[in-house]
Amino acid sequence: EVQLVESGGGLVQPGGSLRLSCGASGFTFSSFSMSWARQAPGKGLEWVSSISGTGDITFYADSVKGRSTMSRDNSKNTLFLQMNSLRVEDTAVYYCVKCSSGCLRNGMDVWGQGTTVTVSS
Amino acid sequence: DIQMTQSPSSLSASVGDRVTITCRASQGISNYLAWFQQKPGKAPKSLIYGASSLQSGVPTKFSGSGSGTDFTLTISSLQPEDFATYYCQQYNSYPITFGQGTRLEIK
Repeated sequence: EVQLVESGGGLVQPGGSLRLSCGASGFTFSSFSMSWARQAPGKGLEWVSSISGTGDITFYADSVKGRSTMSRDNSKNTLFLQMNSLRVEDTAVYYCVKCSSGCLRNGMDVWGQGTTVTVSS
Repeated sequence: DIQMTQSPSSLSASVGDRVTITCRASQGISNYLAWFQQKPGKAPKSLIYGASSLQSGVPTKFSGSGSGTDFTLTISSLQPEDFATYYCQQYNSYPITFGQGTRLEIK
């Protein structure tokens, strides 16, 4: 069974940093692109970033570009999202998402349970 | 960026009803369209990919259609567990974008 377990969320002040992690199991992690998506309180879903299976290609939403870095450690089946210069509007539940192969043209099939990030002074 | 517009934004229906949700893309996306179901406090669940293909384990009461810019999700014989929020998503090009969601409520 595919499982994705996020961690690392919490309360951080504006301008601060946070590193989210996602542990993956039940599939050959390095063979699949992965994504992060988020959902602000009471709002809809927003794609944040995607990374190729090898980790050498990344894409970011404009809302986080330049402030966030997505990476992966295929030896540990773990996905990361380093978020810097956090803003109040980054407050959201962050989901780790497995793509069916690549994220483009193949889509997303499994979501983690999410980790909550709250940016507030 | 490709804008995804869902209609209606909310919908009231009764158990046993058949409902249809529409999703329109601001430009053609071929069939690179997915539908997700989300219940309160839970992670989204993938229902349909490729506009009309069911994810493994998803009941056949869910069906999707469309290509290009106009897509639909149809849910037949509504049961209490189907009342949730539904999102469409295009994955034809970055940035990947979602519709604003359709909240399906019990009448």
